[in-house]
Amino acid sequence: DVKVTQSSRYLVKRTGEKVFLECVQDMDHENMFWYRQDPGLGLRLIYFSYDVKMKEKGDIPEGYSVSREKKERFSLILESASTNQTSMYLCASKGSSGGTYEQYFGPGTRLTVT
Amino acid sequence: AQSVSQHNHHVILSEAASLELGCNYSYGGTVNLFWYVQYPGQHLQLLLKYFSGDPLVKGIKGFEAEFIKSKFSFNLRKPSVQWSDTAEYFCAVNPRMDSSYKLIFGSGTRLLVRP
Repeated sequence: DVKVTQSSRYLVKRTGEKVFLECVQDMDHENMFWYRQDPGLGLRLIYFSYDVKMKEKGDIPEGYSVSREKKERFSLILESASTNQTSMYLCASKGSSGGTYEQYFGPGTRLTVT
Repeated sequence: AQSVSQHNHHVILSEAASLELGCNYSYGGTVNLFWYVQYPGQHLQLLLKYFSGDPLVKGIKGFEAEFIKSKFSFNLRKPSVQWSDTAEYFCAVNPRMDSSYKLIFGSGTRLLVRP
C-alpha cells in the first residue's frame, strides 16, 4: 500500500512565524502535491513537484514556497504565517507510470495561526 | 478557467435511502474523473475513477458513477446508503492534456446518514 505521511496532525503557530510542513511518501512516486482544504471550497492546489528540485505553482501559491531535495520528501513552507493561512493542509503523491492518474493522500495537517 | 461544480453542499438521508450526488465540470477536452471520500477523522481516499470505456463505473462500498459526456457530468450514486457512508465526498477532474496530473476538485458534499 502507498503510504503518505505528514509530520504533524495539528500545529499551532503565531503570526509571522516561519512554518515547515513535511510530507514523505514511500512509493518512489515522481509527482507530489500540496493542497489546502477549506470548508465550502474543497481542495485547492498550492504547489506541485514532478521531480527532485522541480516545482510548479498551483492555483494559490501566494505566501507559500516548497522544497523537494529528495524524491520521497516534499516540504511546504509558510515564510511568514498569517491568520488567513489557518487551514487543513493535504499532501498527495502520484507515480508517472501505469497511467492510473490516482493521487494518494496523507492524513493532513490542521494548522492554526494565531 | 477549468472548474468542477458540486451542486449539493449538504445532504441528509435516512438509512436505506438512495443517493445521487451531482458533479459537473467545465472543460471541453478529454478528462479523467474521480470521486474521493473523506470519512470523519480519516484521510482522503479514492472511491472510484473513470478514464475510458464503459461510462458506468463501479467503486468501493457499492458506489457507482456515470459519465455523461454530453452533459459534462459524473454523478455519484448508491442505491441504499448506510450510516457508515456519512462523510464528505469530492468530485475531481484531471484534464488529459495537462501533463502535470494535477486534479481540480469540487467544493465537496457533506453527507449525513441518519440511522
